[in-house]
Amino acid sequence: AQTVTQSQPEMSVQEAETVTLSCTYDTSESDYYLFWYKQPPSRQMILVIRQEAYKQQNATENRFSVNFQKAAKSFSLKISDSQLGDAAMYFCAYRSRGGNEKLTFGTGTRLTIIP
Amino acid sequence: DTEVTQTPKHLVMGMTNKKSLKCEQHMGHRAMYWYKQKAKKPPELMFVYSYEKLSINESVPSRFSPECPNSSLLNLHLHALQPEDSALYLCASRREGSTNEKLFFGSGTQLSVL
Repeated sequence: AQTVTQSQPEMSVQEAETVTLSCTYDTSESDYYLFWYKQPPSRQMILVIRQEAYKQQNATENRFSVNFQKAAKSFSLKISDSQLGDAAMYFCAYRSRGGNEKLTFGTGTRLTIIP
Repeated sequence: DTEVTQTPKHLVMGMTNKKSLKCEQHMGHRAMYWYKQKAKKPPELMFVYSYEKLSINESVPSRFSPECPNSSLLNLHLHALQPEDSALYLCASRREGSTNEKLFFGSGTQLSVL
């Protein structure tokens, strides 16, 4: 079974600074998807960024980028120019590519933005 | 319309009550999901519907009964719940067969069982 580990329960960053959230996972599969989801106080889970394991290039979405290290099974999220609206719980998640619908989440990292 | 709408937003029920949670999307998605999220924990998958048929049941107790009456609507019927079932219930949808693996989530129903 796949597992996803987020070792940082809480992180904080000054507004406009850069922060990196860590995620490691364990799998025996070679083809899969990795995601970062954000859950603000509104409770809605919002997709931040997505990475396909067969792509070597790291995904980027505006101020958000990932460092995907497949051999190390590491998938960290970098948030640049942090904004107050980035404050949320961030979940790393894994999904097999081969038809299994289950999205396996990590335990989450609560990010606080300091004005 | 890129929303998943869940109603009600909050629900308080007794252990003998019968209630239903509703989820609706009009994006043409044919895969729909129920997740349960306890406080300060990640979401846990409960059920998956694919083309209106139940495809995954994660060993959920029978006091939770899902229903997918059409491609836009997903219900979760609740009966004889326990206080430990109090949680945020999230609905999500995805375009079945698409290479875009994005799940769209609703804002959830916060359920309290007394």
